[in-house]
Amino acid sequence: EIVLTQSPGTLSLAPGERATLSCRASQTISTNQIGWYQQKAGQAPRLLTYGLSGRATGLPDRFSGSGSGTDFTLTIARLEPEDFAVYYCQHLDSKGTFGQGTRLE
Amino acid sequence: DVQLLESGGDWLQPGGSLRLSCSGFGFTFKNYAITWVRQAPGKGLHWVSTITYSGVSTFYADSVKGRFTISRDNSKNTVYLQMSGLRVDDTATYYCAKLGDDDAFDVWGQGTLVTVSS
Repeated sequence: EIVLTQSPGTLSLAPGERATLSCRASQTISTNQIGWYQQKAGQAPRLLTYGLSGRATGLPDRFSGSGSGTDFTLTIARLEPEDFAVYYCQHLDSKGTFGQGTRLE
Repeated sequence: DVQLLESGGDWLQPGGSLRLSCSGFGFTFKNYAITWVRQAPGKGLHWVSTITYSGVSTFYADSVKGRFTISRDNSKNTVYLQMSGLRVDDTATYYCAKLGDDDAFDVWGQGTLVTVSS
C-alpha cells in the first residue's frame, strides 16, 4: 500500500509570499494519479489540481501542481488571505489514500 | 449546480448500526462513481469506500471491511453507506464525493457527523 507523506506539517508564511508544499510517495506513482485538495475550517475539502494538468473549475492561476515519480509539489505563487487552510495530497487510485495534510498559516 | 447532500448522521453506542445517505443533484448521477471519506475530529482525511457508477464494483478501506457496506439506487440518485459494528474510532464527519476526471474527488457534500460513544 502506498503511503503519502506531506511536509512540512505546518507552514508559516505571509500574504504575498510563495508557498511550496511537498508530497512524497512511498513508491513510484504515475503523475496522473496525484490530486491536491484545500480544506478550510468547518468546510468540506475542495479539489484544486489533479492528474497531469487538471485544474478545478475557477481555480486561480497562482495554484499549480507538479512533480513525478515519488515527489510532488503544490505551489501557490503569491498567497492571498483566503489561501490559509489545510492542504492534502491524494493518490488517485481505487483506495484514494490521502497524505496527513499541511497546515498553511 | 452540481451538489451532493449527505444525511443520516447520529449519535449512537458502540456496536450499533447506522445508514448514511448521499443524494446527488445537478448531474447525471448514474454515470459517476461515488466515494465516502471520513474525518475524525481535528484529524485528516481518510478514504472509506467507493462504488462504481453501476454499483457492480465496490472497494473498502481495511478498517471498515466486513462492517460497512456501500450500495446505490440510481433511480433515486442516492448512494448509501450501511455501517454496523460501530466503534468509538468510527466517530467522524463522513463526506461523500463524486469521482471525476482521473478519479479525482471533484464534488463534495457538506458532511454528516457520526458519533459513537457510550
